Amino acid sequence: DTGVSQDPRHKITKRGQNVTFRCDPISEHNRLYWYRQTLGQGPEFLTYFQNEAQLEKSRLLSDRFSAERPKGSFSTLEIQRTEQGDSAMYLCASSLDLGHEQFFGPGTRLTVL
Amino acid sequence: AQSVTQLDSHVSVSEGTPVLLRCNYSSSYSPSLFWYVQHPNKGLQLLLKYTSAATLVKGINGFEAEFKKSETSFHLTKPSAHMSDAAEYFCVVRLWSGNTPLVFGKGTRLSVIA
Repeated sequence: DTGVSQDPRHKITKRGQNVTFRCDPISEHNRLYWYRQTLGQGPEFLTYFQNEAQLEKSRLLSDRFSAERPKGSFSTLEIQRTEQGDSAMYLCASSLDLGHEQFFGPGTRLTVL
Repeated sequence: AQSVTQLDSHVSVSEGTPVLLRCNYSSSYSPSLFWYVQHPNKGLQLLLKYTSAATLVKGINGFEAEFKKSETSFHLTKPSAHMSDAAEYFCVVRLWSGNTPLVFGKGTRLSVIA
């Protein structure tokens, strides 16, 4: 399957721990997006990359969150000092370019105990 | 700022009957509008999109939506529901330029009863 993949699919951690998620976009896509989806809500935008450049960050992305896309291919999203409020599904999407359809991965479900 | 309101959090229909999922949008500019579907344990999938061409948009799996500017609506319909249509549906808006993130509604859960 050549779709967007995310790893891990599930992560359970204790409050205060750091976690890192990985997203592998569709290979020729130069745009990569991160969203967060909490229970009963639609996904909310966090940040996006054009190749390796992080072009926009939502106000939802506190300073405990950092995202990278070092070679313009895969991306990582790290959450430091996790809080229970960080429990959510973290979704990654990629698109070929500006205005093109975004293809979503299956998500990483984070549970902070 | 743009936003969408999905008027029903849950819709239940019988198999073979029509589906109507309602969505109203708010946007200061010409919007692009989308419907995405999310099946359990699967990624979001694009059903259809409106980008200022024809106001009646046909999507996959027999779904379609009509853009009505006067009503600021973009309702999703399907003539006959299948069991496999049971899922969460999201109405989504984005400014026409494409250089802005997608803004999702809260979702409508569609149940299909045999």
